[in-house]
Amino acid sequence: EIVMTQSPATLSVSPGERVTLSCRASQSVSGNLAWYQQRPGQAPRLLIYDASARATGIPARFSGSGSGTEFTLTITSLQSEDSAIYYCQQYDDWPPLTFGGGTKVEI
Amino acid sequence: EVQLVESGGTLVQPGGSLRLSCAASGFTFSFYEMNWVRQAPGKGLEWVSHIDGSGSIIYYADSVRGRFTISRDNANKSLYLQMSSLRVEDTAVYFCARGPRVSSFWGQGTLVTVSP
Repeated sequence: EIVMTQSPATLSVSPGERVTLSCRASQSVSGNLAWYQQRPGQAPRLLIYDASARATGIPARFSGSGSGTEFTLTITSLQSEDSAIYYCQQYDDWPPLTFGGGTKVEI
Repeated sequence: EVQLVESGGTLVQPGGSLRLSCAASGFTFSFYEMNWVRQAPGKGLEWVSHIDGSGSIIYYADSVRGRFTISRDNANKSLYLQMSSLRVEDTAVYFCARGPRVSSFWGQGTLVTVSP
């Protein structure tokens, strides 16, 4: 099973700032990496797939990069509605599909 | 509009059984693989099970294999999760999600609480 590790666990930032969230895989997942946003009380929302492709309707301030074992999600010009927990998920070697533990972004 | 609506979650005692349902609409259900993903209170996301469009290819997480059964009824556009021998650690919100590997559509979830 591929273990996904996210860092940091929590980020406190101000509106308008830029943040970078990290996700590391225990072995290479090539580019088969997705990012989800989950606001309190809501279902996860797909942001990024294939490491860097934005999902439909996702603002350009969200971008993903990386390959192999190291990935990042960058959010520029943070807005209040970006307060959420962000999860990475690998789908290279499955089952099982595996998620990181999440990074909570507080604004 | 794609919609996934889960139901069936409730309070159940350890060792009990429960069946969750997920009603799909807005897309050709039989064309899509589906997943169940759960989230324990205050915890992260955990993939539970996967089923292909015909129901012939099925996968389970180790934590539920032998206790949970995924199935689907394409005629009624529904996905199911039969849960038995429930444990306290199965307490979670259960989401159905359109697959196969990346889920762009999720339901709002249904809460299963396993407690004496």
